[in-house]
Amino acid sequence: QVQLVESGGGVVQPGRSLRLSCEASGFTFSNYGMHWVRQAPGKGLEWVALVTFDGGKKSYPDAVKGRFTISRDNSKNTVYLQMNSLRVDDTAVYYCVKSLAYKMGSWHYLDDWGQGTPVTVSS
Amino acid sequence: DIQLTQSPSFLSASVGDTVTITCRTSQGVSSYLAWYQQKPGKAPKILIYAASTLQSGVPSRFSGSGSGTEFTLTISSLQPEDFATYYCQQLNTYPITFGQGTRLDIK
Repeated sequence: QVQLVESGGGVVQPGRSLRLSCEASGFTFSNYGMHWVRQAPGKGLEWVALVTFDGGKKSYPDAVKGRFTISRDNSKNTVYLQMNSLRVDDTAVYYCVKSLAYKMGSWHYLDDWGQGTPVTVSS
Repeated sequence: DIQLTQSPSFLSASVGDTVTITCRTSQGVSSYLAWYQQKPGKAPKILIYAASTLQSGVPSRFSGSGSGTEFTLTISSLQPEDFATYYCQQLNTYPITFGQGTRLDIK
């Protein structure tokens, strides 16, 4: 079965950087897009980033564009989220999510989710 | 960005009831809409995508309908495990956006 295991979360000061990792198993990782989605304490869901199956296309909302970078290493079945210039309002649980879209497909619905890794930005 | 507004935000119901949650989008999203269920302390789970397609393994008491700007999630014959928070999400136009959520509580 699909397993997504996030790591790298923690407490960091505003303005600093953090890199999240998500190791995938149970499916052919190189065939699927991958997302990061976050949820601030007591709040709703916010999409953070998408990378297509081959890393060829990346998308972000304005809230993180220019500060966050998604990447993947298909040889390691791992997707990353590099977060720079962190702000207090980036505090959230960050989920790694497998896309429903196979290869060139565009149905990037949020299929399988990891358990999340918490990130706290505080001085 | 496309805004998604769910109604109601809170809903109380009893086991065996049928409930409907509505999601309205600020612009048309064709049928590029999904529904997710989230239980406290857990990751969300996809229920329905493409407005009405039931994801594999999801009970048939869940159903979705709609297109354009108005969508519904219906849960028939509520079971104890269905009490959770539900989110709609659009995929028609980036950035991907979610509704604010509907919390379904036991009456």
